Amino acid sequence: AQKITQTQPGMFVQEKEAVTLDCTYDTSDPSYGLFWYKQPSSGEMIFLIYQGSYDQQNATEGRYSLNFQKARKSANLVISASQLGDSAMYFCAMREAVSYNTDKLIFGTGTRLQVFP
Amino acid sequence: GAVVSQHPSWVICKSGTSVKIECRSLDFQATTMFWYRQFPKQSLMLMATSNEGSKATYEQGVEKDKFLINHASLTLSTLTVTSAHPEDSSFYICSAKHSYSNQPQHFGDGTRLSIL
Repeated sequence: AQKITQTQPGMFVQEKEAVTLDCTYDTSDPSYGLFWYKQPSSGEMIFLIYQGSYDQQNATEGRYSLNFQKARKSANLVISASQLGDSAMYFCAMREAVSYNTDKLIFGTGTRLQVFP
Repeated sequence: GAVVSQHPSWVICKSGTSVKIECRSLDFQATTMFWYRQFPKQSLMLMATSNEGSKATYEQGVEKDKFLINHASLTLSTLTVTSAHPEDSSFYICSAKHSYSNQPQHFGDGTRLSIL
């Protein structure tokens, strides 16, 4: 069975510094996708970044980048130049195939990031 | 970007009431919609997956008769919590995606349900 692990319940970072949120996964499927979502205190889930298992390069989206180490089965999220608005819960998720035309996401337990001035 | 609208945002109602939550994809056709439940300070728990025009697939432990899901069109799915009780109080959030692909799920803003 597929599994996502986020070992950091909480992280602190000073404004303008970079922070890395850890995510490891386990799957026997050679084709998979990894996602990061941000959930502010208001509750909505905001898609941040995606990495495919066959992608040659690490994904980047603005201040977000994904440190994808396939051999180690890790997909850590790096946030550069942290801002106060980055304070939120961050969830790592992996796509799991359910049938030929359906898949679902397996979520990690999340990491609460707090950015301080 | 893809927009998913979820309504209502907040519901407070008496025990025994049935509550309907709507999830709409506003600018794309969602072949698949998902319903999640989230307890405070916990991760999202998938309740069911619904494909347009077919019956929803429920996760183990989720009562089909308790949580009725309808996905009648490519832009609308509804979750009805029937005869709600205080233990059904939770944050419910839906998501939608185009098809089986690398496209991400796009989430609604969630519904906070409180049963008195």
